[in-house]
Amino acid sequence: GESVGLHLPTLSVQEGDNSIINCAYSNSASDYFIWYKQESGKGPQFIIDIRSNMDKRQGQRVTVLLNKTVKHLSLQIAATQPGDSAVYFCAERASGANSKLTFGKGITLSVRP
Amino acid sequence: GAGVSQSPSNKVTEKGKDVELRCDPISGHTALYWYRQSLGQGLEFLIYFQGNSAPDKSGLPSDRFSAERTGGSVSTLTIQRTQQEDSAVYLCASSKGGTPFYEQYFGPGTRLTVT
Repeated sequence: GESVGLHLPTLSVQEGDNSIINCAYSNSASDYFIWYKQESGKGPQFIIDIRSNMDKRQGQRVTVLLNKTVKHLSLQIAATQPGDSAVYFCAERASGANSKLTFGKGITLSVRP
Repeated sequence: GAGVSQSPSNKVTEKGKDVELRCDPISGHTALYWYRQSLGQGLEFLIYFQGNSAPDKSGLPSDRFSAERTGGSVSTLTIQRTQQEDSAVYLCASSKGGTPFYEQYFGPGTRLTVT
């Protein structure tokens, strides 16, 4: 079956460094991808999304890169701050009117002061 | 502006009781979604509304689960005869509509514990 997964369950980075969170997807029909951040006890917070007709999109301190050739998605966080500590989820949606978002299990980002 | 709100934030109930969980979407958002998140797991889709109709109920795990949406706004998720395996965080999200499942914004969730 199709799946969305994350390479590493945890990522520890030094405050001020850049973070890269990776996500692999297996459905070549996916045409929309989204990253969420979830802090403890809170709902997922929308970070950034990207459509398959793009390979890069930038937001405030974040960049999402999409490599459709190898079905790989990454989230880059510049100058990581303690407030970035959270669980990060990637999700994909296949093209088609009835397609839903499929979420990965999440990766924990821990920022060392 | 106001985000998605959910109530209650926490609910503890005895096995066999019915529970109702409420979601208030972002004003103007026509699409509304319910998900379930078990400890340390990703999000499990339950049901999706466009306006008051539910084009996709495929994620509801059993006939004990139902949801409705009235007035194109507030939605209620009802779980009848709760079981311990129903314990989870129930998340609601909304989006502007257009393409379903694009740019969803989530509420804080309701943590349900069935004892």
